[in-house]
Amino acid sequence: AQKVTQAQTEISVVEKEDVTLDCVYETRDTTYYLFWYKQPPSGELVFLIRRNSFDEQNEISGRYSWNFQKSTSSFNFTITASQVVDSAVYFCALNGGATNKLIFGTGTLLAVQP
Amino acid sequence: KAGVTQTPRYLIKTRGQQVTLSCSPISGHRSVSWYQQTPGQGLQFLFEYFSETQRNKGNFPGRFSGRQFSNSRSEMNVSTLELGDSALYLCASSLGGYNSPLHFGNGTRLTVT
Repeated sequence: AQKVTQAQTEISVVEKEDVTLDCVYETRDTTYYLFWYKQPPSGELVFLIRRNSFDEQNEISGRYSWNFQKSTSSFNFTITASQVVDSAVYFCALNGGATNKLIFGTGTLLAVQP
Repeated sequence: KAGVTQTPRYLIKTRGQQVTLSCSPISGHRSVSWYQQTPGQGLQFLFEYFSETQRNKGNFPGRFSGRQFSNSRSEMNVSTLELGDSALYLCASSLGGYNSPLHFGNGTRLTVT
């Protein structure tokens, strides 16, 4: 069975702090994809990144960075120098096999205080 | 490029009624997926359509159905509404290849009273 666990329900930080959102996944597939989405109060899920199971290189995009470690089945997301606009719910998701069905974690609510 | 458009944004229905939600995908996207989001169950996959055919289905009762038209627009129908159907229904489109990033709309907030 496939499963995504986001143990952090809520995180509150002060602006300019760095914050890491954890994601642990379970799958028996050898080929799979991992995603991060952001859900602001407006409701839509905004795609942030996709990583396949064969690519363990870390990725950096501006203030965002992702650390993928197959050995620990983790795909963590770090925001550097957080800003109030980063406040949202962040979801980690898994997709295995020939399908477009995403298995989502329960999400982490990030509140960045000014 | 216009994003995924869902209508209506809000709906209030009574138990036992039926409802139809609409989704217009990003131009050129051929796959449309539907997800239900509730505080208790989180985000759950309903079904996916590609070229007017249902390609994948989640674990929801037959009261939940959908279809896709030749212009890739999709509708989702829920019959005999129950209180537990109250949720945010999100539509997502993609180019269609497996594991393509999904692009979501703002959702339709359904309240069943």
